[in-house]
Amino acid sequence: KAGVTQTPRYLIKTRGQQVTLSCSPISGHRSVSWYQQTPGQGLQFLFEYFSETQRNKGNFPGRFSGRQFSNSRSEMNVSTLELGDSALYLCASSWKFGGGNEQFFGPGTRLTVL
Amino acid sequence: KQEVTQIPAALSVPEGENLVLNCSFTDSAIYNLQWFRQDPGKGLTSLLLIQSSQREQTSGRLNASLDKSSGRSTLYIAASQPGDSATYLCAVKEDGSEKLVFGKGTKLTVNP
Repeated sequence: KAGVTQTPRYLIKTRGQQVTLSCSPISGHRSVSWYQQTPGQGLQFLFEYFSETQRNKGNFPGRFSGRQFSNSRSEMNVSTLELGDSALYLCASSWKFGGGNEQFFGPGTRLTVL
Repeated sequence: KQEVTQIPAALSVPEGENLVLNCSFTDSAIYNLQWFRQDPGKGLTSLLLIQSSQREQTSGRLNASLDKSSGRSTLYIAASQPGDSATYLCAVKEDGSEKLVFGKGTKLTVNP
């Protein structure tokens, strides 16, 4: 069974540009969550999706957005990139929303903003 | 607001030693607690999941315990090996969401 996949694995952008990251959950998983990981702040929750609906959002500016498709794949978008957006972006999937599900993470997308 | 703390931030041990990593959380109303391992520049690998009704879980050389009332969990690694070198993260989940709240991690180095 394939794990969580994220594309692209690496991105280099300049300030002011926008970027779209993609996450494909484990087959059969319907819940996808996104996290930002930086050396200073650690892992911070961005948002979570289930059945194409955003269920919860973390404390990030409106430049960070996302969506989920009917096949449970998810994308996140960051507009007007800032230097501080440089981070490892991780997505996690679980088979349903709520309850004691184990969560599985992808390898991440390393975003560098110059 | 849930806060998760991991102590120590870094740990260096000789190969073969048994060790304990600590995790504490401020709000005991958790649904479960999950321990992860992260190698440099990589994603997270799930090690153990403990539901709030459970006291411990074991997988191979790893044993995790949970004391929900006191807001503590420990990860015990037996007979450590150089391949165990990584950052270990604990995360708690509250009901009604898939959101995980993470600690900052313990960076473990096992010296041959």
